[in-house]
Amino acid sequence: GAGVSQSPSNKVTEKGKDVELRCDPISGHTALYWYRQSLGQGLEFLIYFQGNSAPDKSGLPSDRFSAERTGGSVSTLTIQRTQQEDSAVYLCASSFGTGTYEQYFGPGTRLTVT
Amino acid sequence: AQSVTQLDSQVPVFEEAPVELRCNYSSSVSVYLFWYVQYPNQGLQLLLKYLSGSTLVESINGFEAEFNKSQTSFHLRKPSVHISDTAEYFCAVLSNTGKLIFGQGTTLQVKP
Repeated sequence: GAGVSQSPSNKVTEKGKDVELRCDPISGHTALYWYRQSLGQGLEFLIYFQGNSAPDKSGLPSDRFSAERTGGSVSTLTIQRTQQEDSAVYLCASSFGTGTYEQYFGPGTRLTVT
Repeated sequence: AQSVTQLDSQVPVFEEAPVELRCNYSSSVSVYLFWYVQYPNQGLQLLLKYLSGSTLVESINGFEAEFNKSQTSFHLRKPSVHISDTAEYFCAVLSNTGKLIFGQGTTLQVKP
């Protein structure tokens, strides 16, 4: 079956612009996670959703970052007024539920802020 | 707070040699541990996991890891590596809120 998909695969944007990153989880997966992979910070958790609610937003680095999930499926991560330090690969993962269920990762969106 | 330390950023090894990638964790709650692999230009894939039961867990491609509670370690081993094992390997612990906390990663470079 289809895995987790993310779009776009690559995004180049100018400093100060807003960007939206999309994640389509595996059908039937109720939990959805966003992580960020960057050279200096490694793999960091950003936010996760159980259904449409976000019980843990503790990893969002600033109020320029927000995310939503609608219909218990697609999620969008929005970064406002992008900065160069936002350049990273943004990874989405989904699982049947929270806890010890395996998290399946998408291919990521590579964001470059110039 | 939970954390994961991968002691080696890069591990070069010759083909068919054994390898060990080290991982230590810090956790005050029940421990669930994972190894993920990221092949060049690909996404993260689960390699193996420890949830409970036998402390030795194995993957389908010959890797194994042993959960050692007294040493707070979950080292990854393979007795004979292949060129195709060249990748970045991440150790992770599951937090009590369900998110994964990753180590910094270890790049395994297998040389012919």
